[in-house]
Amino acid sequence: DTGVSQDPRHKITKRGQNVTFRCDPISEHNRLYWYRQTLGQGPEFLTYFQNEAQLEKSRLLSDRFSAERPKGSFSTLEIQRTEQGDSAMYLCASSLGLAGNTGELFFGEGSRLTVL
Amino acid sequence: AQSVSQHNHHVILSEAASLELGCNYSYGGTVNLFWYVQYPGQHLQLLLKYFSGDPLVKGIKGFEAEFIKSKFSFNLRKPSVQWSDTAEYFCAVNADDYKLSFGAGTTVTVRA
Repeated sequence: DTGVSQDPRHKITKRGQNVTFRCDPISEHNRLYWYRQTLGQGPEFLTYFQNEAQLEKSRLLSDRFSAERPKGSFSTLEIQRTEQGDSAMYLCASSLGLAGNTGELFFGEGSRLTVL
Repeated sequence: AQSVSQHNHHVILSEAASLELGCNYSYGGTVNLFWYVQYPGQHLQLLLKYFSGDPLVKGIKGFEAEFIKSKFSFNLRKPSVQWSDTAEYFCAVNADDYKLSFGAGTTVTVRA
């Protein structure tokens, strides 16, 4: 499979624990995005990387959230001291160049987080 | 910042019925417009997109969308739906050069 892959697909954790999600983008894509999706809502932008540089972070991303893309390939999204409100689907997407001009973000299947 | 409104939360229709999903955006400048679809248990995938040119764009699986600039709209249509069109549909707008802003989505249920 040469699409965007995310791991784990499901994560159940207790409030206060730390969780980390991994995303492997399509290999030739230099842009990588993280979105969050809650029930009944569309994906909300969290952050994106151009190669290894993190170029924007949404206000949604509190200081408990951190994302990295150390070598410009895979990325991790870590949530520290999880809260019940963090329960959501975390989506990763990648694209080649400018999202608008190339037309398409390629999404992974998401990592569903449940915080008890 | 741009925002996207999708008018219907849930649409239920029978096979062979026509489908139209509304999408309006708020942004005064040049935008690129997209419809994404998410079939049950699958990832989001692109249905169609508009950048410029003919405001009527055709996508996969018989879908089309019309960009009406004066109405800030990009409605999705399909003349005759099939059971396999059951999915969630998201309208998205790109006005920056790097990210998409999505609407809340419309769940479409097609009854056989």
